[in-house]
Amino acid sequence: DQQVKQNSPSLSVQEGRISILNCDYTNSMFDYFLWYKKYPAEGPTFLISISSIKDKNEDGRFTVFLNKSAKHLSLHIVPSQPGDSAVYFCAASGYTGTASKLTFGTGTRLQVTL
Amino acid sequence: DAGVTQSPTHLIKTRGQQVTLRCSPISGHKSVSWYQQVLGQGPQFIFQYYEKEERGRGNFPDRFSARQFPNYSSELNVNALLLGDSALYLCASSFRDLEGTEAFFGQGTRLTVV
Repeated sequence: DQQVKQNSPSLSVQEGRISILNCDYTNSMFDYFLWYKKYPAEGPTFLISISSIKDKNEDGRFTVFLNKSAKHLSLHIVPSQPGDSAVYFCAASGYTGTASKLTFGTGTRLQVTL
Repeated sequence: DAGVTQSPTHLIKTRGQQVTLRCSPISGHKSVSWYQQVLGQGPQFIFQYYEKEERGRGNFPDRFSARQFPNYSSELNVNALLLGDSALYLCASSFRDLEGTEAFFGQGTRLTVV
């Protein structure tokens, strides 16, 4: 069962515009959410996170929004830059027994065009 | 500051062989987790170790084992390799074992089983 879903495998956005990447989750025990960016042949790079007690968190060009009732979060990148082209993973965590683990979505490939 | 380092970066093994992957966490981080990423999927949780104890295990067969050393570095061992074990193996470190903590990833070890 896919507990974290990224339904858009790819997204193309013009440079300077807003990129919006979406993520849905099904497990109500998740209470911490993270976004990672991944270039080919590299490990995921942490971008931004949000706790379930918040509905918004900003860091520079990156903003994450959380809608708990809809079990939905989104990552906004404004303005988009060519260097943002990568695969973006949404991940969720929640304490399960004695370990906290990240459950990842399948990723969205963002391409920022000139 | 050094990030999470993994070795080797690439590895080719034959079916039935055994492999050991290594990870050094960020200095001061006491928790190490291992993930497997196959093409087109998000990383899947294999193990978490904290203070040298296994704190969680994902849905992987007993052929997969790991340990954490007193200096918090970690090894992932896979016995009796199958073709399906071909993947990118990622190590992540975090400061603590609790939910709501960002995990920082290494560049990964690309394992190819032939």
